[in-house]
Amino acid sequence: DTGVSQNPRHKITKRGQNVTFRCDPISEHNRLYWYRQTLGQGPEFLTYFQNEAQLEKSRLLSDRFSAERPKGSFSTLEIQRTEQGDSAMYLCASSLVVSGSANEQFFGPGTRLTVL
Amino acid sequence: QQQVKQSPQSLIVQKGGISIINCAYENTAFDYFPWYQQFPGKGPALLIAIRPDVSEKKEGRFTISFNKSAKQFSLHIMDSQPGDSATYFCAAMDEGATNKLIFGTGTLLAVQP
Repeated sequence: DTGVSQNPRHKITKRGQNVTFRCDPISEHNRLYWYRQTLGQGPEFLTYFQNEAQLEKSRLLSDRFSAERPKGSFSTLEIQRTEQGDSAMYLCASSLVVSGSANEQFFGPGTRLTVL
Repeated sequence: QQQVKQSPQSLIVQKGGISIINCAYENTAFDYFPWYQQFPGKGPALLIAIRPDVSEKKEGRFTISFNKSAKQFSLHIMDSQPGDSATYFCAAMDEGATNKLIFGTGTLLAVQP
């Protein structure tokens, strides 16, 4: 399978615990995005990477959230001291951007986080 | 200015009918408009996309109509099938900026057999 993969697919945690999600983009894609989707809503942008550089972070991304893409390949999203309001689907997407022209973003299956 | 407004919230169509979903935007810098299809428990899947240099794009049973002056675009699904039952999201992007997608709130489509 050459699509975007995310692990784990589901995560249940207790309030106050830390969680980490992983995203493996399509191999040749240089951009990687994180979105969050709550029930009945469209995905909302959180942050994105161009290779290993994190170029933008949404105001939705509080200090408890951190994302990395250390070698420009896979990415991790960590949430510290989780709160019930963090319960959502966390989606990763990747795209290949060449000469400033954006191509389509392809999404992974998401990680469903439930904070009890 | 960053919002994309989508309607209707839900839609019921008979098999073989035409499904129409509408979106409107404010930011004139947006220059890429994709539609995504999402099934329960899955990530959004790119369906079709358009840029403002054309007023219509067709791929199979799916057509995007784009009205630049009105800042509106719509998805038409011809010969709707029960397998098309899903949530559809329009989105918009300023390709010259961050390439982040701004999504509409979604339309839940049910195609009745």
